[in-house]
Amino acid sequence: GAGVSQSPSNKVTEKGKDVELRCDPISGHTALYWYRQRLGQGLEFLIYFQGNSAPDKSGLPSDRFSAERTGESVSTLTIQRTQQEDSAVYLCASSRDFMGQFFGPGTRLTVL
Amino acid sequence: SQQGEEDPQALSIQEGENATMNCSYKTSINNLQWYRQNSGRGLVHLILIRSNEREKHSGRLRVTLDTSKKSSSLLITASRAADTASYFCATISRSNDYKLSFGAGTTVTVRA
Repeated sequence: GAGVSQSPSNKVTEKGKDVELRCDPISGHTALYWYRQRLGQGLEFLIYFQGNSAPDKSGLPSDRFSAERTGESVSTLTIQRTQQEDSAVYLCASSRDFMGQFFGPGTRLTVL
Repeated sequence: SQQGEEDPQALSIQEGENATMNCSYKTSINNLQWYRQNSGRGLVHLILIRSNEREKHSGRLRVTLDTSKKSSSLLITASRAADTASYFCATISRSNDYKLSFGAGTTVTVRA
């Protein structure tokens, strides 16, 4: 497709369960970012992938959060043992450089 | 942590009027970007202004940057109902040239 896609668009899970969120970046974009947006708040940076370099994981809030990226394509964000405070919209973005980022529609995660 | 802070938090204007929102940031930046987010949709990159630029135009958008005051403004002229959205400023700092830091956003409502 022409844009960044994310799946699922909505995810409702029970506290303590693991969830996996997927991001398909724009083809050719070497940089991929994950952000979290809590209701009424700005975006929080979570993790950044750039090509084959080691990812910058400095924004991950706890060791329950992890992310992988296969080459310069798909990325998955995994949240283990979900907590209610993990409820948020998780946004993925990709870019060719650090100028303009193209965002996906996000995955709305609700932890009951 | 959030770098940019938008002001006001919410703005309601009549169609045809201009909308102005401001953003303040804390550290030295490489560039500042404005994004729009329509309800339930992903973020859309609007405009980027580099630290050595003072003003930039794109269609009905005008962005100013004052690095001495660490602030930026976004002006939307002749607003339309379709401009109803949340607007976020985001900065890339000199020390971290890939990580975007977002503010909490300004919610703009354009009344028909």
